[in-house]
Amino acid sequence: AQSVAQPEDQVNVAEGNPLTVKCTYSVSGNPYLFWYVQYPNRGLQFLLKYITGDNLVKGSYGFEAEFNKSQTSFHLKKPSALVSDSALYYCAVRDPYNFNKFYFGSGTKLNVKP
Amino acid sequence: NAGVTQTPKFQVLKTGQSMTLQCAQDMNHNSMYWYRQDPGMGLRLIYYSASEGTTDKGEVPNGYNVSRLNKREFSLRLESAAPSQTSVYFCASSESFTTGDTPQHFGDGTRLSIL
Repeated sequence: AQSVAQPEDQVNVAEGNPLTVKCTYSVSGNPYLFWYVQYPNRGLQFLLKYITGDNLVKGSYGFEAEFNKSQTSFHLKKPSALVSDSALYYCAVRDPYNFNKFYFGSGTKLNVKP
Repeated sequence: NAGVTQTPKFQVLKTGQSMTLQCAQDMNHNSMYWYRQDPGMGLRLIYYSASEGTTDKGEVPNGYNVSRLNKREFSLRLESAAPSQTSVYFCASSESFTTGDTPQHFGDGTRLSIL
């Protein structure tokens, strides 16, 4: 079975500091990994994905994610946080045997303080 | 470009009532999905439709039915609402299910409360 874990319910950082939101996955087969962001009262918005290739993936709004196969992790990062980055972040893995199935983590609330 | 549109945005029901949540996408996507979002549990797949005319169960299908009316529209029906179905419901679509690299596009959700 495929699964994703986001070990932190909440991450607090100061504006201008680097941020990391953690994600680990369990997949039988090649992982197809995604990060989404959700602002209040809105749907999820796609940030970035890892399918194959470079372990460092760049996405929207200055975010990037590092894929680590040995640690089965796909952490979301940003060098300098903005207050406007405050939102709920979801990591997701696509089932490699049924592309219609996505498995989402429980979400991490990012709070960026001025 | 509207993307994925869900109606209604909010709804309050009494236990036992029925209702249909509507979803339409204008991106010519083949695949459509219904999720529910509950605190601390992330998003859980209720049903999906890989193409017009097909539907399949996801992780939590009990108490729900779906209809893929055409390529654009995918509706979710609660036949007899229960308080456990209080949740935020999201519809999503994606371009293709034959490759793994296409992300999903989400609507803004329907907030459903069942008393």
